[in-house]
Amino acid sequence: ETGVTQSPTHLIKTRGQQVTLRCSSQSGHNTVSWYQQALGQGPQFIFQYYREEENGRGNFPPRFSGLQFPNYSSELNVNALELDDSALYLCASSLWHDPYGYTFGSGTRLTVV
Amino acid sequence: DQQVKQNSPSLSVQEGRISILNCDYTNSMFDYFLWYKKYPAEGPTFLISISSIKDKNEDGRFTVFLNKSAKHLSLHIVPSQPGDSAVYFCAAKDSGNTPLVFGKGTRLSVIA
Repeated sequence: ETGVTQSPTHLIKTRGQQVTLRCSSQSGHNTVSWYQQALGQGPQFIFQYYREEENGRGNFPPRFSGLQFPNYSSELNVNALELDDSALYLCASSLWHDPYGYTFGSGTRLTVV
Repeated sequence: DQQVKQNSPSLSVQEGRISILNCDYTNSMFDYFLWYKKYPAEGPTFLISISSIKDKNEDGRFTVFLNKSAKHLSLHIVPSQPGDSAVYFCAAKDSGNTPLVFGKGTRLSVIA
């Protein structure tokens, strides 16, 4: 059983640039959620994807967008990067309707300078 | 408005003693409560959970207690081991297809 893989592990971007983060789901999972963890904070929900459609969104602006692919992998895109976007971005896969079965990846550490 | 609160940013415990991590929540619709452990440079890993129909769940050295009337839960680790040193997150969700809501975490240090 494969876990959740995120890429890249680290990256540095300049304010105003765009970034794409990638996540492959655990085998058998059909739902992907993205979270932002700022320094000293808990993970904050960005959005969730099921059946390739966004199904739930947290308090994040539209410049945060995502995709889910037929193989259940996912991308998080952030446009017009701001300094406050610097954070650890976590992807979690799960089965729809399973309240306990979230598997998290190791995250992508994004630094915006 | 923070729906899940972990008011102790850090906790230091001697090896072999009990560690008690606390969590409070405000949303009475929460039905599921989970504890995650996170090491640096790794994602959160699931530790133990409890549903709102129970008041206690035990798994080895880890026990979670839920007090619904007080909207409070706690994680007990007995005995604490140095490998337990990590950040512990409390998370909750309701019964719908809604996301996990996390607290800010408590950093546990177990001193040998």
